[in-house]
Amino acid sequence: DTAVSQTPKYLVTQMGNDKSIKCEQNLGHDTMYWYKQDSKKFLKIMFSYNNKELIINETVPNRFSPKSPDKAHLNLHINSLELGDSAVYFCASSQKAGTETQYFGPGTRLLVL
Amino acid sequence: GDSVTQMEGPVTLSEEAFLTINCTYTATGYPSLFWYVQYPGEGLQLLLKATKADDKGSNKGFEATYRKETTSFHLEKGSVQVSDSAVYFCALIGGFQKLVFGTGTRLLVSP
Repeated sequence: DTAVSQTPKYLVTQMGNDKSIKCEQNLGHDTMYWYKQDSKKFLKIMFSYNNKELIINETVPNRFSPKSPDKAHLNLHINSLELGDSAVYFCASSQKAGTETQYFGPGTRLLVL
Repeated sequence: GDSVTQMEGPVTLSEEAFLTINCTYTATGYPSLFWYVQYPGEGLQLLLKATKADDKGSNKGFEATYRKETTSFHLEKGSVQVSDSAVYFCALIGGFQKLVFGTGTRLLVSP
């Protein structure tokens, strides 16, 4: 009955590789998000999609590309991985965009070697 | 832009002690305010929230009151338990419709 799920949970890869992280929510929410948490636990939004449309796109390298095939899924593809991409990536969802409570997935711990 | 400032951690307490974690914010308009908790190795869970001035959010013995005059949303608990050890994040959603987090405060409770 997981509300927001992410795969994989852990991802270890070499610099220069391309990788994807998948997110799914079964809450029937319209809006989904990607956040990055760095080694000091600081959390920052990267992207937000509402009904498959991109509504928030923070200053993120264009190596990062989100894709939303439908309302329940928001995937994150990262090209040419760099050491500085090592972090925990969290997916979240909310009923609607705006002031609604966001529900978070368990996170994907990415380590770039 | 919107921002949230939390007290530096870690906060170290003995079981049954009183907890306060300070949080102040800067935002345009009337933001909604949240406390999230992250247990070791896990994702974030919503702990409580308040959407307008003087609202009090509460959950699992934790409380926070939305104080517009002091732009604060301090987290309190009367008697902490070892199981409360976690990182606590204060956050807001303001006019830009983005969830903005503070830097997090680690709480360590010893028996």
